[in-house]
Amino acid sequence: SQQGEEDPQALSIQEGENATMNCSYKTSINNLQWYRQNSGRGLVHLILIRSNEREKHSGRLRVTLDTSKKSSSLLITASRAADTASYFCATVPTGGGNKLTFGTGTQLKVEL
Amino acid sequence: NAGVMQNPRHLVRRRGQEARLRCSPMKGHSHVYWYRQLPEEGLKFMVYLQKENIIDESGMPKERFSAEFPKEGPSILRIQQVVRGDSAAYFCASSAGGDRGGNTIYFGEGSWLTVV
Repeated sequence: SQQGEEDPQALSIQEGENATMNCSYKTSINNLQWYRQNSGRGLVHLILIRSNEREKHSGRLRVTLDTSKKSSSLLITASRAADTASYFCATVPTGGGNKLTFGTGTQLKVEL
Repeated sequence: NAGVMQNPRHLVRRRGQEARLRCSPMKGHSHVYWYRQLPEEGLKFMVYLQKENIIDESGMPKERFSAEFPKEGPSILRIQQVVRGDSAAYFCASSAGGDRGGNTIYFGEGSWLTVV
């Protein structure tokens, strides 16, 4: 398996529900970043969390990082249909400059 | 403040032709990265450049692919003698810094290459 694997691969929820996506990685990291990608579009940066941080919030987004388990989670609260997209985690390894390693992503579908 | 600008957005090439993809980083950014995304997959790192320097090209195929970021003008990803397997979305990204690994990396909208 590769660095930065998301789980689940696909998630379908109703509008208003919370969505949780998980990411696991293998090597020591400097930071971990979450991105959103709408179909046929570029990546939108959501949150960067550094290795010495455990939790960060941005609006309806909450990201946690557990370096002992080499895992991160992205929680989207009160989801909206507009949140439908693919979500990727990407890691920057320790000493690895800014070279991102992406997982395969979670496809989130929020239904009305 | 314009974001990362890529062009063309869509490009169709016949097998054997050359593809040139251009990327202008965000204003004030001097670090540029190219990634490739195959259908239904995540992004794969290709190359990391600063002005007039290739910092890391560990993800670039050994043949037919080259990248540059000249002192003036956009970064260029060049694919010679394209084959069908080159069909993918190519994303450019930029950041203000690079060495410390704590910089947010911003992506462009991508260039979709189709080889027919």
